[in-house]
Amino acid sequence: NAGVTQTPKFQVLKTGQSMTLQCAQDMNHEYMSWYRQDPGMGLRLIHYSVGAGITDQGEVPNGYNVSRSTTEDFPLRLLSAAPSQTSVYFCASNRGQSYNSPLHFGNGTRLTVT
Amino acid sequence: AQSVTQLGSHVSVSEGALVLLRCNYSSSVPPYLFWYVQYPNQGLQLLLKYTSAATLVKGINGFEAEFKKSETSFHLTKPSAHMSDAAEYFCAVGGFLVLNTGNQFYFGTGTSLTVIP
Repeated sequence: NAGVTQTPKFQVLKTGQSMTLQCAQDMNHEYMSWYRQDPGMGLRLIHYSVGAGITDQGEVPNGYNVSRSTTEDFPLRLLSAAPSQTSVYFCASNRGQSYNSPLHFGNGTRLTVT
Repeated sequence: AQSVTQLGSHVSVSEGALVLLRCNYSSSVPPYLFWYVQYPNQGLQLLLKYTSAATLVKGINGFEAEFKKSETSFHLTKPSAHMSDAAEYFCAVGGFLVLNTGNQFYFGTGTSLTVIP
């Protein structure tokens, strides 16, 4: 059981470039989310989805887009990368409408924007 | 509003000593509480979760946490630290079901545990 898979593991972008961070889960989880992790700030929610076709903004959505065409996949798009988006990005999923369902995390994508 | 406070961004203990990582939460409703561990260059792994069945929760790798409602705390402990316990630990509050928003989680800023040989 692969769980949550993120690609790529590392990426370097130049300011203004675009890219997509991929996330896939094989647990049939309804809820998927993207977090960014920065030193001293914990994890901050970027976007989330409660099911295919439904997405919404989290705490820090600016500069990022998401879509959810299938239950399994939840890509995160950076349309025009900025140095402030240098961070480690984590995708997570859980059963959504279940009070005690913990989040399952991918291994992260380390992004550097120069 | 819900929030999580982890006291001490860095904790150092000697190998074999007690590990105590502190977590306090604020919540207007009974929460579901979680501890996660993050090893270098990896994602977060669930250590344990409190879901109101018992106030003392046992997790993986010998860790346990006690829910104290009167103190709004959920501190993580391990009787004897091992070198392999060196990692970042995150406390989280979850289970806030808001219409169409799924299971919202709120994370603390993390505590980095160093184990001294």
